[in-house]
Parts: sequence; C-alpha cells; structure tokens
Amino acid sequence: QQQVKQSPQSLIVQKGGISIINCAYENTAFDYFPWYQQFPGKGPALLIAIRPDVSEKKEGRFTISFNKSAKQFSLHIMDSQPGDSATYFCAAGRDDKIIFGKGTRLHILP
Amino acid sequence: SQTIHQWPATLVQPVGSPLSLECTVEGTSNPNLYWYRQAAGRGLQLLFYSVGIGQISSEVPQNLSASRPQDRQFILSSKKLLLSDSGFYLCAWGPFVPGELFFGEGSRLTVL
Repeated sequence: QQQVKQSPQSLIVQKGGISIINCAYENTAFDYFPWYQQFPGKGPALLIAIRPDVSEKKEGRFTISFNKSAKQFSLHIMDSQPGDSATYFCAAGRDDKIIFGKGTRLHILP
Repeated sequence: SQTIHQWPATLVQPVGSPLSLECTVEGTSNPNLYWYRQAAGRGLQLLFYSVGIGQISSEVPQNLSASRPQDRQFILSSKKLLLSDSGFYLCAWGPFVPGELFFGEGSRLTVL
C-alpha cells in the first residue's frame, strides 16, 4: 500500500521557470510533511517542511502549498536554476515514522 | 556537531551470502535510527526504525533484520541475500524537529 503518492516521476523545466511537484497522502493521522532533496550518490537532505495547520510555507525560492481537505501538498520552486537539478521526495510522518514518496527527478535546462 | 557514518560504501555480494551494514551516529544521544532502501522507481522504502536500544520496528517483512546493540549504533543484516536485496541502503537519525532526518552517505549493495 502506497501511503504517499508523488507525481510526476520526472520533470524538465527551463531555467527561470517554475517547477511543481505534487503529492497526495492517505492517512489523516500524518501531522508533518517534509520535502527532501537528493543529489546523485548522496543521502537526501531536508529542504522544507510544513504542519497541517498551515496552508503555505515559503523559504526563499521554495514554497509548500498544503490542502488538508484534499489530502494533497505540493512543492513549488520559483526561478528554477540548473543547481536545483536533483531528485525530490515528499514525505509524511507521525510520531517516529516517516514515509516517503517515490521521488521526482527534476532537470533544469540551462 | 552531529555526524553519521555508514559503511561499507559499496559492496558486491553473491546470492545466498550474509550481509552486515553498519551505521553510527556521533554528537547526540538517544536518537531515533532508521534504515531505508532506495531502489530504482521505488523511492525511499522504510525498512526498520528504532527509538532505543533493543527496540526495533519492522516495516517490511523480508529476509533482512536490524539490531541496535548500542545507543548510537544501528546494524542491518541478512543471513542469505537475494537478488532483490540489491539497492542503495541509507541510514538516518533524527529528529530534532518532526520530519527532519539526517541521512548517511549510503551503502550501495549489488547482489549477483
């Protein structure tokens, strides 16, 4: 059973454009929703996270939009840069357990 | 500062051989510890997590096992590897804040 569904699987965006990655979750008990960024050969690193009592969180060029009623959340990367090319994972967690989506491979064209 | 060490970084093992991957965390005490596996097209699959010495929660029934013999040591083992065990294994610890995990550099396992 896939508890966190992520789309698209891969994404190509022009430099300066907006990258959008979507996730949906099933378990309403989840109470935090982080996004991770992974570069090839490295472990993932936390990018930004949100709690379900907030509809949006912005940190620099990265924004999480959260829709509790639809059980969906998304990552927006504004002014996308070639250095943003990486794999992005959404996740959902409660207590000590964190479940990840399958990831999105993002490529920013120079 | 906290650091996480994971080894070996790469290994190639024959089918049916045993496995031992080790992970240690420095600079913190009583962390939660996690083992994830990353396979192509399957994202990050939670295998085991531990909230304390000797306390292991298994998420996926399989031929892998985990142990936490010391507060900051987490070991992933198998008695007999399968081809399907190939993948990128990541150890992580956390969290200071909910949702924040710190990952090691990973161990790439190829079973032939």
